Amino acid sequence: QVLLVESGGGLVKPGGSLRLSCAASGFTFSDSYMSWIRQAPGKGLEWVSFIDRSDATVYYADSVKGRFTISRDNAKNSLYLQMNNLRAEDTAVYYCARDGGGNYAYWGQGTLVTVSS
Amino acid sequence: IVLTQSPGTLSLSPGERATLSCRASESVSSYLAWYQQKPGQAPRLLIYDASNRATGIPARFSGSGSETDFTLTISSLEPEDFAVYYCQQRISWPRELTFGGGTKVEIK
Repeated sequence: QVLLVESGGGLVKPGGSLRLSCAASGFTFSDSYMSWIRQAPGKGLEWVSFIDRSDATVYYADSVKGRFTISRDNAKNSLYLQMNNLRAEDTAVYYCARDGGGNYAYWGQGTLVTVSS
Repeated sequence: IVLTQSPGTLSLSPGERATLSCRASESVSSYLAWYQQKPGQAPRLLIYDASNRATGIPARFSGSGSETDFTLTISSLEPEDFAVYYCQQRISWPRELTFGGGTKVEIK
């Protein structure tokens, strides 16, 4: 079955960096589009970033553009999100999701990122 | 594109019908999905492309609408249906996807 497992979350100071990982199994990762979606505590969902199958095309929400970088390693069945210059408003649970053309049928359990001094 | 969901909270009893609304600030054609989220869990895809049930979703869930106005209907609420529901549009995929603010369906 499809399994997505995020890791790498934690507490970081404003201006700091963090790298999230998402380990995928149960499907052909290299044939799949992937996205990151986040949810601030008690708030709604926000799409963060998209990556195509070959790492050639990436997109970001305006709120993270220039600070976050999405990447993938198809040999390791892994998705990443490098987050730099973190702000308090980046505090959220970050989910990786298999992107079915903009429909998200498969999600990880999420990893919590807390940006606070 | 801004998605506005109403009402914010819906208080109903098991067995009742739930009708949730999602309005888009501009046309999203039929590229609208609905998700259910329970506390501490990831969202679950219920409906895609306005009216198609995702795999394994019970028939009591149905979606309708197009362009700017969409509805999620739960025909008869089961105890496990009390949760938060989000709509999401993908007309500009793979960029600028947006979600609505959510509707909480709570037990009356």
